Amino acid sequence: EADIYQTPRYLVIGTGKKITLECSQTMGHDKMYWYQQDPGMELHLIHYSYGVNSTEKGDLSSESTVSRIRTEHFPLTLESARPSHTSQYLCASSATEKLQEKLFFGSGTQLSVL
Amino acid sequence: DQQVKQNSPSLSVQEGRISILNCDYTNSMFDYFLWYKKYPAEGPTFLISISSIKDKNEDGRFTVFLNKSAKHLSLHIVPSQPGDSAVYFCAATFQGGSEKLVFGKGTKLTVNP
Repeated sequence: EADIYQTPRYLVIGTGKKITLECSQTMGHDKMYWYQQDPGMELHLIHYSYGVNSTEKGDLSSESTVSRIRTEHFPLTLESARPSHTSQYLCASSATEKLQEKLFFGSGTQLSVL
Repeated sequence: DQQVKQNSPSLSVQEGRISILNCDYTNSMFDYFLWYKKYPAEGPTFLISISSIKDKNEDGRFTVFLNKSAKHLSLHIVPSQPGDSAVYFCAATFQGGSEKLVFGKGTKLTVNP
């Protein structure tokens, strides 16, 4: 059973709209991440957070922004969506097991911008 | 510049046979390697990992082999089952941080009944 939840699962919107992709986890993990993935391509890290009030940009430049006001919640916002933002967005959190971190992913949001 | 390469976009095997998925990396600093499995419309799930101090790690039907000199790792699934049909991502990191995790493009495995 998933302990990290993303909503919506699918989103089709028009260009110029503001959107927020929701991500929540119930595992109490401090570290959370947003990845972007296109079909047949690598997962690219776009944002991450070490904990409350911490946000960092990942290795892939993104026009999206994130916030971390509560440990369990890590939403991603696009102020003005464009067709180039069409992609799958995956949220994750991590925990350290046996001295190594392990990522736990949500089911993803498939975003289509028309 | 891809640091983690999965050169086979797809692989098809018969049920009961062995599946071998390959991964090459270029960064010699990587010290921890993971495999994730992803079904359509779902997020990836962790499958198995290996530290650079080992050359093999086994978990049930899944075994990962690491050849540091060749900068190559492989995932063996024996015996393969139809439920194993998914996209498999190889990933690598150094110093343990998930924010440094680098993923390959994935290999789509199809196990035919």
